[in-house]
Amino acid sequence: EAQVTQNPRYLITVTGKKLTVTCSQNMNHEYMSWYRQDPGLGLRQIYYSMNVEVTDKGDVPEGYKVSRKEKRNFPLILESPSPNQTSLYFCASSLSGGSSGANVLTFGAGSRLTVL
Amino acid sequence: KQEVTQIPAALSVPEGENLVLNCSFTDSAIYNLQWFRQDPGKGLTSLLLIQSSQREQTSGRLNASLDKSSGRSTLYIAASQPGDSATYLCAVRRRYQKVTFGTGTKLQVIP
Repeated sequence: EAQVTQNPRYLITVTGKKLTVTCSQNMNHEYMSWYRQDPGLGLRQIYYSMNVEVTDKGDVPEGYKVSRKEKRNFPLILESPSPNQTSLYFCASSLSGGSSGANVLTFGAGSRLTVL
Repeated sequence: KQEVTQIPAALSVPEGENLVLNCSFTDSAIYNLQWFRQDPGKGLTSLLLIQSSQREQTSGRLNASLDKSSGRSTLYIAASQPGDSATYLCAVRRRYQKVTFGTGTKLQVIP
């Protein structure tokens, strides 16, 4: 089944304890991206990647890192989490980043992160 | 900076009604616009994608239109059903591959 898989789905951690949220897709997609969803603010893009070793900032990149060493994986790293990073996080992928109608964004199920 | 607005924020309709959801964006230099639905506590399900060169797309009871020059898209839902109750989001893919979402319209279809 074609899908985007995120882990963990739920995580409670403490301020300053480094964590990684993994994202993997099995569709050979070039484009991958991370979003956070907060009440009243909607979904906002954190980082995106056009292909292996190519990453760029979205609208809210502060406090996050990403890497794209393999095509299928795009982990989100919080080096020193803070309470304002408590949020629902989504990973998504598409075939490429162009304007083609084939570039439907497919989303993972989400990861709910709480930072105490 | 691209801004995407969805009005109304919430909508309640009786079952069987046809309805229109609106999405407005400020920068017309877009690659495509995609409509999603999100059920409570769940991820996003893609409904329709309209390329920048297209005017509309249809899937079953759903029809999405795009008017780039005026910065508007609409999602038309025909013969609404209780199962259509969800939050509907539009997302604009713009230059440099960034994606901007609207804040959504929460739809309730009353049996």
